Amino acid sequence: NAGVTQTPKFQVLKTGQSMTLQCAQDMNHEYMSWYRQDPGMGLRLIHYSVGAGITDQGEVPNGYNVSRSTTEDFPLRLLSAAPSQTSVYFCASKSAGLYEQYFGPGTRLTVT
Amino acid sequence: RKEVEQDPGPFNVPEGATVAFNCTYSNSASQSFFWYRQDCRKEPKLLMSVYSSGNEDGRFTAQLNRASQYISLLIRDSKLSDSATYLCVVNIALKAAGNKLTFGGGTRVLVKP
Repeated sequence: NAGVTQTPKFQVLKTGQSMTLQCAQDMNHEYMSWYRQDPGMGLRLIHYSVGAGITDQGEVPNGYNVSRSTTEDFPLRLLSAAPSQTSVYFCASKSAGLYEQYFGPGTRLTVT
Repeated sequence: RKEVEQDPGPFNVPEGATVAFNCTYSNSASQSFFWYRQDCRKEPKLLMSVYSSGNEDGRFTAQLNRASQYISLLIRDSKLSDSATYLCVVNIALKAAGNKLTFGGGTRVLVKP
């Protein structure tokens, strides 16, 4: 099993550009989430989904959109990149009823 | 006040020594607790769950103190490979469905020969 995969691994954007971070999991997990990790801040929840067609906002949703058209995929869209969005982004998935989250390898995003 | 707080460290630990550190949480409705390990520039991975009665997994012991709202992690006989950042994670049930995991900022442990 590939587990949770994320692409790209690294990305540099200019302010105002848009892009989509891809996330896919092959474990048939119902729950998927996006986090950002900044130094000293811990992981903060951006958006999450409890199943295909259902998404909700996390702690820091502004500037990001998500959709969940399939169980496997949960892309994160940056609408108009800002330097404050420079961070490491992790996608995670878990099975309903269980607590362990499985994380992807992360995407390191720099916005100049 | 952050919902989950950890001493960022680093804790410099001689190889073979014991190290322990805590994590405090502010929401008394927190239901379950975990320690995740994160290696440098890698993704977090579950180390162990924390049960009310305390639990051990090899050289690792986790404790929960609900009255004082903290959890702890103790590492015995530290190995060089234990060098990592340890993330405290607290789970709260959401209103509609699912759960919210809140992460602490992590405690960095450096085991030295």
